[in-house]
Amino acid sequence: EAGVAQSPRYKIIEKRQSVAFWCNPISGHATLYWYQQILGQGPKLLIQFQNNGVVDDSQLPKDRFSAERLKGVDSTLKIQPAKLEDSAVYLCASRTVGNTIYFGEGSWLTVV
Amino acid sequence: GEDVEQSLFLSVREGDSSVINCTYTDSSSTYLYWYKQEPGAGLQLLTYIFSNMDMKQDQRLTVLLNKKDKHLSLRIADTQTGDSAIYFCAESIRGSQGNLIFGKGTKLSVKP
Repeated sequence: EAGVAQSPRYKIIEKRQSVAFWCNPISGHATLYWYQQILGQGPKLLIQFQNNGVVDDSQLPKDRFSAERLKGVDSTLKIQPAKLEDSAVYLCASRTVGNTIYFGEGSWLTVV
Repeated sequence: GEDVEQSLFLSVREGDSSVINCTYTDSSSTYLYWYKQEPGAGLQLLTYIFSNMDMKQDQRLTVLLNKKDKHLSLRIADTQTGDSAIYFCAESIRGSQGNLIFGKGTKLSVKP
């Protein structure tokens, strides 16, 4: 079974530029999450989708972050404009019915 | 509010047992998880335990849960150099629809 796929793996941008990350969850997984992991910390939830609907986006900085999952499968997370403090790993995860949540390898963002 | 605490570092010798500890604050936790993160990689699910269980064993891994004290531990028997990584404890809160609250991670160093 293929895992959660993410791209790009690494991205370096200047502050005030924009960036987009893509995630393809495990086939059949209805729930998709985006987490942000700042260096030295544990991951923190940004947004959770159930199929193509948003379940929880209370911790998403909506002035600069947006995410969508239009067809209930792939998802895109966008940051515009980026700030230095957005440097982090952006982890996508997915879950089917049950309690096992699988994470992708992450997209590593450096804002300079 | 929810909070998960872990000690930041643990160093053991190869062949010894490692015990990584975690405390959490929310008594409505339903599932508790241990994830492993190697340098430059995403999160690998090691094991999880339902909150009404005391213990779960899976090969070299033993999870102990003391619900009264809100204390979770992960024991790795016969620790190998390949076990060197950061280990994250995470809790899933009842009603949160599966999103996870993570600790800051414990960096395990295994010396030959």
